[in-house]
Amino acid sequence: QKEVEQDPGPLSVPEGAIVSLNCTYSNSAFQYFMWYRQYSRKGPELLMYTYSSGNKEDGRFTAQVDKSSKYISLFIRDSQPSDSATYLCAMRFGGATNKLIFGTGTLLAVQP
Amino acid sequence: DTAVSQTPKYLVTQMGNDKSIKCEQNLGHDTMYWYKQDSKKFLKIMFSYNNKELIINETVPNRFSPKSPDKAHLNLHINSLELGDSAVYFCASSQDVLAVQFFGPGTRLTVL
Repeated sequence: QKEVEQDPGPLSVPEGAIVSLNCTYSNSAFQYFMWYRQYSRKGPELLMYTYSSGNKEDGRFTAQVDKSSKYISLFIRDSQPSDSATYLCAMRFGGATNKLIFGTGTLLAVQP
Repeated sequence: DTAVSQTPKYLVTQMGNDKSIKCEQNLGHDTMYWYKQDSKKFLKIMFSYNNKELIINETVPNRFSPKSPDKAHLNLHINSLELGDSAVYFCASSQDVLAVQFFGPGTRLTVL
């Protein structure tokens, strides 16, 4: 079993839909949680960065962390075709380490 | 442009050859990384350097040797290439060991 699980999709939604992307993890010591977006043949780019439990909003994107359930989510409101990409969750432990553990990514396609 | 850059973008080579991938960042960051992304999009850290010092060394075959001539550069040399080395290799950098990581565009390595 991988430390971080993510449904690979593909997830296809119509333009304007609300998208929910999720990851579960097994190690309760993870403290920092990230979402990266990766377009085809490009490098991952950071979308959201959160510490511990709670919500964080940035424009159309909302990241949620539920440490009690070991579950994180990324919501995309008013999805656009330009949001079509692979979304990777990542997390790391607290302390002096920056080793990121990634999920396998969810491929999202937003249909115009 | 300020960024993390990698060369070459594509690398096709025969089994048994030795090859190098170069990475440069002009963000003034202290920490650099190499990741491997397999055909299923799973992204896994290989190495990390902080101020030219190796700080993360995952269970990677010793055919892989990173070299950091200065803080702005981190190269990856691979000896005796094998079919299983085919993947996309990403370089990343961060301000320090705990900061957010920024990824390069990737080098797609194909071993025939």
